[in-house]
Amino acid sequence: GAGVSQSPRYKVAKRGQDVALRCDPISGHVSLFWYQQALGQGPEFLTYFQNEAQLDKSGLPSDRFFAERPEGSVSTLKIQRTQQEDSAVYLCASSLLAGAAETQYFGPGTRLLVL
Amino acid sequence: DQQVKQNSPSLSVQEGRISILNCDYTNSMFDYFLWYKKYPAEGPTFLISISSIKDKNEDGRFTVFLNKSAKHLSLHIVPSQPGDSAVYFCAATFRTSGTYKYIFGTGTRLKVLA
Repeated sequence: GAGVSQSPRYKVAKRGQDVALRCDPISGHVSLFWYQQALGQGPEFLTYFQNEAQLDKSGLPSDRFFAERPEGSVSTLKIQRTQQEDSAVYLCASSLLAGAAETQYFGPGTRLLVL
Repeated sequence: DQQVKQNSPSLSVQEGRISILNCDYTNSMFDYFLWYKKYPAEGPTFLISISSIKDKNEDGRFTVFLNKSAKHLSLHIVPSQPGDSAVYFCAATFRTSGTYKYIFGTGTRLKVLA
């Protein structure tokens, strides 16, 4: 079956541009996570959705970052007025249910480079 | 403030031998610990997990050991195979404000030499 997909796979933006990153989770998965992975680091939590509800956005680094999942399936992470420090791989993960023991399935990530 | 630490950035092991990847944590509230494997240009893939109430979990060639008193867990791969060459992330979860949060380590790059 289809896994988690993300688009675009690569994005180059000029500083100050807005970008939108898309995540298509596994169909029927309740939970959706966004992570930011800087070079040489592990994934860092950004935000969490349970269906369409954004239950935790404590990891979003600034108010330039915004995420939505309006129908409880596809999610979009938007970064406004991009800065060089936003350059990273953005990973999306979904899990069937909500809970510590649930396996997260990751997408391949979107590599964002801000010049 | 890194709650999950993987102090070895890389490890090389001969094919057929045991690979031991280590992870230390600081938060005693973690519920579950997980290991993920990552190949280049792909997202992490779940490998094995262990509940905080257990001290060992085994799945084929992979075994995870948890030492709660030392706040330490390790992943053993035996026998190691060249296809195991990847970056391995340790992660831990805890419940907060009605949801679960996942904290990842910085990863250990394993190279299995043929």
